[in-house]
Amino acid sequence: QVQLQQRGAGPLRPSETLSLTCVLSGGSISAHYWSWIRQSPGKGLEWIGDVRHGGNANYNPSLKSRLTLSVDTSQSHFSLSLKSVTAADTAVYYCARYSLDYDLVSGLNFYSMDVWGEGVTVTVSS
Amino acid sequence: DIQMTQSPSSLSASIGDRVSITCRASESISSYLNWYQQHPGKAPKALIYGATHLHIGVPARFSATGSGTDFTLTINSLQPEDFATYFCQQSYNVPRTFGQGTKVDLK
Repeated sequence: QVQLQQRGAGPLRPSETLSLTCVLSGGSISAHYWSWIRQSPGKGLEWIGDVRHGGNANYNPSLKSRLTLSVDTSQSHFSLSLKSVTAADTAVYYCARYSLDYDLVSGLNFYSMDVWGEGVTVTVSS
Repeated sequence: DIQMTQSPSSLSASIGDRVSITCRASESISSYLNWYQQHPGKAPKALIYGATHLHIGVPARFSATGSGTDFTLTINSLQPEDFATYFCQQSYNVPRTFGQGTKVDLK
């Protein structure tokens, strides 16, 4: 059974760097894309980005200048680094597997976030 | 960015009711539409991918239709565990965007 366990960050002050890790068990980290999503009361669910083994990554343009996503296949985990945080980065952060399903009828490939971590609350406050 | 708009924002229903939630994309996304369920304090759970396909383990009372810009999630015979918030999400392009959510609560 595929599971994602998130390692949290303590409270952060503005301008610090947020670092989060998501550890995979029960599956292959090389076979999929891995996503980060955050949720705050004011903005709902916000896609942060996704990354694949080998460094291929997609970033939300609104965060791209501050964001680095990476995959460590030796440790079977993937990570998020967000620089220069502000109060606007306060949210629950989730990791998820961005998995591919192939539809035989249409011949199309569909991606969805099919396995989620439990989420970690990140608070940025001075 | 593709905007995803859900309606209604909330609805009240009874056990056994049939409920439908609509999601509209600001431009055509073909069938690249996913649905998720979220209970309070929990992570979202994947229900539907590719607009109409149930993920493994999702009860058959859930169904979904749509393509292009208009999509619908239907829950037949609402069960107690179905009271939750439902989100749509487009996987057509980047940035991947979510609807604002539809909360289904007990009437």
